[in-house]
Amino acid sequence: QIQLVQSGPELKKPGESVKISCKASGYTFTDYAMHWVKQAPGKGLKWMGWINTYTGKPTYADDFKGRFVFSLEASASTANLQISNLKNEDTATYFCARSNWDYWGQGVMVTVSS
Amino acid sequence: DTVLTQSPALAVSPGERVTISCRASESVSTGMHWYQQKPGQQPKLLIYGASNLESGVPARFSGSGSGTDFTLTIDPVEADDTATYFCQQSWNENTFGAGTKLELK
Repeated sequence: QIQLVQSGPELKKPGESVKISCKASGYTFTDYAMHWVKQAPGKGLKWMGWINTYTGKPTYADDFKGRFVFSLEASASTANLQISNLKNEDTATYFCARSNWDYWGQGVMVTVSS
Repeated sequence: DTVLTQSPALAVSPGERVTISCRASESVSTGMHWYQQKPGQQPKLLIYGASNLESGVPARFSGSGSGTDFTLTIDPVEADDTATYFCQQSWNENTFGAGTKLELK
């Protein structure tokens, strides 16, 4: 069955970096792009961008240009999100979702606190 | 960015029919999708392309609309439908509505 399994929760200090992963199984990884979505506590969903899993080319939404990097480990069917220079407002749950939006990871809670 | 405006929180009784609206600030053709999200869970796709029922989703859920005005209908509502419902457009990049919290009386 198709699954997107994300890495575990993270607790970081402001200024640190974090890398979270999204491992796909049950389908050909390179046939579908991967989206990233942010959900701050008690808030709605915000699209961060997507990565072409065939070419590795990332596309970032305007609010996520600069400190956010999408990458792949295609041999491991894994997409990664790295956030550098973490700020308090990065505290959120981060989801990966397949390009058809039909399968989502379970989400990774990232907490940024001094 | 295309802004999506959703109806506020709703409260209905089991067995009733409920409609949740979503208005786009510009036309998104039929590039509108609907999700159900329960606390602590990932969103679940219900409707794609404005009116297409995702596989495995009960036929109690239906979607309609095109252009700027869209509706998600649940008929009849069941207790398990308590959740927040989000609309999303994928016509002009991707944006989500703020969500409509559905509570059962």
